[in-house]
Amino acid sequence: DAGVTQSPTHLIKTRGQQVTLRCSPKSGHDTVSWYQQALGQGPQFIFQYYEEEERQRGNFPDRFSGHQYPNYSSELNVNALLLGDSALYLCASSWTAINTEAFFGQGTRLTVV
Amino acid sequence: QKEVEQNSGPLSVPEGAIASLNCTYSDRGSQSFFWYRQYSGKSPELIMSIYSNGDKEDGRFTAQLNKASQYVSLLIRDSQPSDSATYLCALYPYTGRRALTFGSGTRLQVQP
Repeated sequence: DAGVTQSPTHLIKTRGQQVTLRCSPKSGHDTVSWYQQALGQGPQFIFQYYEEEERQRGNFPDRFSGHQYPNYSSELNVNALLLGDSALYLCASSWTAINTEAFFGQGTRLTVV
Repeated sequence: QKEVEQNSGPLSVPEGAIASLNCTYSDRGSQSFFWYRQYSGKSPELIMSIYSNGDKEDGRFTAQLNKASQYVSLLIRDSQPSDSATYLCALYPYTGRRALTFGSGTRLQVQP
């Protein structure tokens, strides 16, 4: 049973560029949440997708957008990259029932130069 | 006040000792609590979940929950150097958000 997979694992982008990160959830899971983790901090919630809709959103600007496909896989897009967007981006999958366990992919380390 | 508070550490314990990691939270209505382990440069790995007051044991790990005191803890018995990592406390807030809220983590160092 494949767990949560993310791609790519590492990425270097230039300020002002756009980036797309991808996530495939764990088998049987239908909900995907994206988090940003800066060094020394806990993960910060970006948004959550369920049934191809953004269900909830954290305190992130509109430069951060996403998508979920019918097979439950998801993308995170960040436009107009800033140096401060450099972080570990984490995808977590869970089952839609409230308060269920969430499992993380290996993450994408994004560096903006 | 942060929603989830953890001492950043580092918490240093000798090999074989019990490591005690603590977490307090502000939302009294929170129902579900989780402990994740994160090795340096890696993603968080779920190690324990707890939903009811009291203790829950899984191998060398024991999670403790006290909703009245808004307090969650993780005990690691017979600590090993391989337990050296950052431990993140997480919960689902009662306020309706269906995504986890995390503390900033406690760094544990187990000395051989």
